[in-house]
Amino acid sequence: DAGVTQSPTHLIKTRGQQVTLRCSPKSGHDTVSWYQQALGQGPQFIFQYYEEEERQRGNFPDRFSGHQFPNYSSELNVNALLLGDSALYLCASSPERGATDTQYFGPGTRLTVL
Amino acid sequence: QKEVEQDPGPLSVPEGAIVSLNCTYSNSAFQYFMWYRQYSRKGPELLMYTYSSGNKEDGRFTAQVDKSSKYISLFIRDSQPSDSATYLCAMRGAGGTSYGKLTFGQGTILTVHP
Repeated sequence: DAGVTQSPTHLIKTRGQQVTLRCSPKSGHDTVSWYQQALGQGPQFIFQYYEEEERQRGNFPDRFSGHQFPNYSSELNVNALLLGDSALYLCASSPERGATDTQYFGPGTRLTVL
Repeated sequence: QKEVEQDPGPLSVPEGAIVSLNCTYSNSAFQYFMWYRQYSRKGPELLMYTYSSGNKEDGRFTAQVDKSSKYISLFIRDSQPSDSATYLCAMRGAGGTSYGKLTFGQGTILTVHP
């Protein structure tokens, strides 16, 4: 049973560019959440998608947007990249109707903005 | 003030020691409490999941929740070098705006030396 997968593993961008990160949830999971983890910090909630809609959003600017596809996979898009966007971006999936609603994390995408 | 406070350490202990990791929180709406382990350059891995107050044991790991004090702990018995990692506490509410959003502590870096 494949867990949460993310691509790419890492990438380097320059300020002002745009980036798209991808996530495939764990089998049987239909809810996807995205987190940003700066170096030495805990993950910060960006947003959560369920039934192809953004259900909840954290304190991130509109430069951060997302999408969920009918197969439950998801994308995170960041526009007009800033140096401060450099971080590990984590995707987590959970079963909407699961008893515990536990979130399982992928390995992350490490984004470096130069 | 952050909603969840966690001593970042670092914490260094000899193999076989008992390790105590702690978090305090300010949001009384938190109902579900988790501990994740994160190895370097990897995604967080769920260790323990508890609901409301009480203790939960799983092998060498014991999680404690004291809602009256807004304090949670993770104990690791007979610590091993393979336990060396960053430990993150996380919590969420039962519904409303906190549903689905995990709030993390900063993480505690643990090193167990042989």
